[in-house]
Amino acid sequence: EVQLVESGGGLVKPGGSLRLSCAASGFTFSSYSMNWVRQAPGKGLEWVSSISSSSSYIYYADSVKGRFTISRDNAKNSLYLQMNSLRAEDTAVYYCARAGSYWGSWYFDLWGRGTLVTVSS
Amino acid sequence: DIQLTQSPSFLSASVGDRVTITCRASQGISSYLAWYQQKPGKAPKLLIYAASTLQSGVPSRFSGSGSGTEFTLTISSLQPEDFATYYCQQLNSYPRTFGPGTKVDIK
Repeated sequence: EVQLVESGGGLVKPGGSLRLSCAASGFTFSSYSMNWVRQAPGKGLEWVSSISSSSSYIYYADSVKGRFTISRDNAKNSLYLQMNSLRAEDTAVYYCARAGSYWGSWYFDLWGRGTLVTVSS
Repeated sequence: DIQLTQSPSFLSASVGDRVTITCRASQGISSYLAWYQQKPGKAPKLLIYAASTLQSGVPSRFSGSGSGTEFTLTISSLQPEDFATYYCQQLNSYPRTFGPGTKVDIK
């Protein structure tokens, strides 16, 4: 089955760290760019970070730049998000999403169910 | 950064209604726009990419149009399962911004 499964969420104190993982299965993970998208409770979607298939290109939202690090291990079919210096405003469900492309057009065509990160003292 | 606005932010409609949602970009993004549907507690689902290409498996009552800075998502005949929140996303440049969403509710 083609799927993405996130893990690693939980409750963490402000200033703390957390590492999210996303396990991919059912497709050739190493061929796809991958992304993290988050959604604060009751709010809209916010793109967080993207990584190309070979990790050559990495991008971050300004809101997480310098605090979050995206990485991947193609041998393990896994995507990661290392989150440091966490703030209350980082509280959200974090989704990993696959980036498909067709004739130069990109889109997020496969999403995981998400993992909840709560930053609170 | 490219900003996206959506209108309306909330829409009340009945089953069978034709529904149109507009997404506007702060600068031209060619056709690099996608639409997603999200139901409460669920992950977003891709509906449309490249502004007007229907994702495989998505019902044909959904359609998209537009280019440059103005885009529309149309549901030709609203079905009970279509009550959800809809987001546009630009994939022309980074950051890959999303619109604020349009919630479609039952009248």
